[in-house]
Order: sequence, then C-alpha cells, then structure tokens
Amino acid sequence: QVQLQQWGAGLLKPSETLSLTCAVYGGSFSGYSWNWIRQTPGKGLEWIGEINHNEYTNYNPSLKSRVTISLDTSQKQFSLKMRSVTAADTAVYYCARGLPGRWGAPVPAHWGQGTLVTVSS
Amino acid sequence: SVLTQPPSVSAAPGQNVTISCSGSSSNIGSNYVSWYQQLPGTAPKFVIYDNTKRPSGIPDRFSGSKSGTSATLGITGLQTGDEADYYCATRDSSLSSLVFGGGTKLTVL
Repeated sequence: QVQLQQWGAGLLKPSETLSLTCAVYGGSFSGYSWNWIRQTPGKGLEWIGEINHNEYTNYNPSLKSRVTISLDTSQKQFSLKMRSVTAADTAVYYCARGLPGRWGAPVPAHWGQGTLVTVSS
Repeated sequence: SVLTQPPSVSAAPGQNVTISCSGSSSNIGSNYVSWYQQLPGTAPKFVIYDNTKRPSGIPDRFSGSKSGTSATLGITGLQTGDEADYYCATRDSSLSSLVFGGGTKLTVL
C-alpha cells in the first residue's frame, strides 16, 4: 500500500518561495501521475498540477506562471515550488498519487497528510 | 466553484441520502466524475471514481451516477461515521484543469 509523507516550511513572508516535498513509500513511480492540491476555507480544493515519471507536467493555468513541480526518482520524491507567494496562498497543501493511466485527467487516489502553509508578514 | 454542490445535507442514521454535483458540457458532460470524503482534520479520501466505481475497501453503501452535466453520490444506511464533507471532481476541458465542487457537509442527525 502506497504511503505519501510530505514536509516543508509552514510559515512564509509575502514574496517568498513556497517549497514542499512529498516522499513515496511503496510502489513505483512509473505509470502514475503525482499531484499537488491545496485547500483553503474560501476557495475549497484547488488542483495545482501533476508530473509523471517522464517529468512531463501539467499545471492549473491560474497558477502556472508561479509553480514548478519536479521529480527525484532516485529518492522517490516529488516537489512543489511556488514563487512570489501572497496571503491568498495560505492553505493546506496536499500531495497525491493519481490513478494509473490518467495523464491529463488525474484522479487523486492516495493523499499525503497535508501541510499547512501560512503566508504572513 | 465550477462544479455546484449543495452546502449541506442531513439525514438520520439508517436513512439514505444523495448529494448532487452540477456542472457543464466542458466538465461533467464530457469527463469522468470522482467523489471524495473528508473527515474533520484529515485528507480527502476517494470513494467513487469513473462516475460509478468504488475503490477497494469502500462499502457498497456508497454509489455514484451521472446523467448529462450532473452527477450524484448516494449513501444508503447512513452511519455516524459517514458524517463528513463530500466533494465531487472532474477534469474541465476548457480550463485544462482538474476542478472540484465546493463541498457538501453531511450531517447524520
């Protein structure tokens, strides 16, 4: 059974870069999409983007200019970087593995525990 | 949200409940729908995918359906442990993005 364990800085100042990492335990990287999703009280759940084992990426167009998702297959980890954060980026961020074979239409099936990121001066 | 859900539904233990999710031709009308259960303080857990399929370990009290640009999650024989927020999700072809509904809070009275 796959398990996802995520970590990263929980408190940022405006204009800083958010950086989160998700480690994958159990299962391979191939054949799945690896996703980042965030949840805010105001906007609910928002998909940020996905990456596959070939390091192809898809991003939410509303966030694409500020976001990079990367992969380290040797460490079985994937990461999220979001530049120039503002208070509106305050949210719980989740990593998730998608169902196999759903590239471009992800179905997040196994989720990490979530990381609260607060942006405040 | 792109997908519209009722903010809340409620029913007594043992009863049945449905939660609706309304969208458009660019999302529900042309893509598969999945449903997520989120218990307080935990990550979402998927309970339905591909409109009607249940992942391993999800009881058959949970069901999904889709018609046109709307989808429905059904839960029969409600239990207190079903009390949670429920979200629908699907790809939106116009937005090129996975989108979620605003969530429905299920209260088991």
